[in-house]
Amino acid sequence: DAGITQSPRHKVTETGTPVTLRCHQTENHRYMYWYRQDPGHGLRLIHYSYGVKDTDKGEVSDGYSVSRSKTEDFLLTLESATSSQTSVYFCAISALAGGQETQYFGPGTRLLVL
Amino acid sequence: KQEVTQIPAALSVPEGENLVLNCSFTDSAIYNLQWFRQDPGKGLTSLLLIQSSQREQTSGRLNASLDKSSGRSTLYIAASQPGDSATYLCAVLGTGTASKLTFGTGTRLQVTL
Repeated sequence: DAGITQSPRHKVTETGTPVTLRCHQTENHRYMYWYRQDPGHGLRLIHYSYGVKDTDKGEVSDGYSVSRSKTEDFLLTLESATSSQTSVYFCAISALAGGQETQYFGPGTRLLVL
Repeated sequence: KQEVTQIPAALSVPEGENLVLNCSFTDSAIYNLQWFRQDPGKGLTSLLLIQSSQREQTSGRLNASLDKSSGRSTLYIAASQPGDSATYLCAVLGTGTASKLTFGTGTRLQVTL
């Protein structure tokens, strides 16, 4: 599992409140990613990071911000949660396996915005 | 923009049957293609990775093929078992920067006794 943990694993919040999800890795990987998974859409990239304080937007970045102040932690923040952000959020890291680049995923965070 | 499509969206087969899952992608400029498995309520587990220069990869009862020029990949599962029941996702890694994966929407497989 490449030492990836996500917290919290489940969260229920109300519309308009800020929410921060944490991804933690233990193996010093440079690249980290946040995805959301919704029925009919598969996994879509929200933001990614290619190093400490180096981040960029993905396909569905509106309404989300990220921060990476340490190699091991990548935070995803919903500044003002909306019901459309109800989803399952996955963190991933990129690593070499057998000479090929692949991604390893965390267990996911289920977020319900009421 | 890369788009990845998986057909069928859902599939139910009796135990022991051989089956094929399909994945197509619109941009052939890929670095590799991966097949993942996802169990309900769980994260993704990588099953097979095919480099863009390869035609196929095998792991146990699983065989994945890649035809980059036509933008297609198949995942073949031999002698299916109830434990194979899961959602199977394919994803392509583009040749651009930052190693961004583009995922298909998945095929939900149920293997019945």
